[in-house]
Amino acid sequence: DSGVTQTPKHLITATGQRVTLRCSPRSGDLSVYWYQQSLDQGLQFLIQYYNGEERAKGNILERFSAQQFPDLHSELNLSSLELGDSALYFCASSARRGLDGYTFGSGTRLTVV
Amino acid sequence: AQKITQTQPGMFVQEKEAVTLDCTYDTSDQSYGLFWYKQPSSGEMIFLIYQGSYDEQNATEGRYSLNFQKARKSANLVISASQLGDSAMYFCAMREVNYGGSQGNLIFGKGTKLSVKP
Repeated sequence: DSGVTQTPKHLITATGQRVTLRCSPRSGDLSVYWYQQSLDQGLQFLIQYYNGEERAKGNILERFSAQQFPDLHSELNLSSLELGDSALYFCASSARRGLDGYTFGSGTRLTVV
Repeated sequence: AQKITQTQPGMFVQEKEAVTLDCTYDTSDQSYGLFWYKQPSSGEMIFLIYQGSYDEQNATEGRYSLNFQKARKSANLVISASQLGDSAMYFCAMREVNYGGSQGNLIFGKGTKLSVKP
């Protein structure tokens, strides 16, 4: 157990639907990062939150949104889903600046049918 | 913009031999961090090793070492005495600029699939 918890582990849904992925960071970590891993695009950074505030944005579609709550857990909302959104979605967390690195959750496998 | 390049989509190595996985990077920052992660078929991302741009010595962690050549902008991962359990995808990553009190996000290369042969 890495200390970063992602739920659900697997999700199958239809095109056009909306889903929410949840991430609980490692205890004490203030930053949460979301990544999408697909076969054709590799590992793409989506968005980062730090202590409740959006800190950096990557290649995140307008149909996707995220937030970090006061208890530091984060949710990634994906709407109007398309077949191409099928991917492994990772959440990672990190402490304040230092050599602690990043701890990844086990990911949510999203399949859009 | 920062970029990570891994030119070896797949590699084979004989069990107990050493293998080098290539990684080159591009950045205009003076301060940066380089990471290697392992992703087995089960999917989780496992941190292997870290090298800071100002570190004078190459990083080592058990059987993993990082061959850091700053002038050439390369950060190759060396795995010594390969084991069957080393078969996995390996990703090189760079940390983007830190902002305020938080660490910057990671950008990843496309990965190298390593297969260890018995």
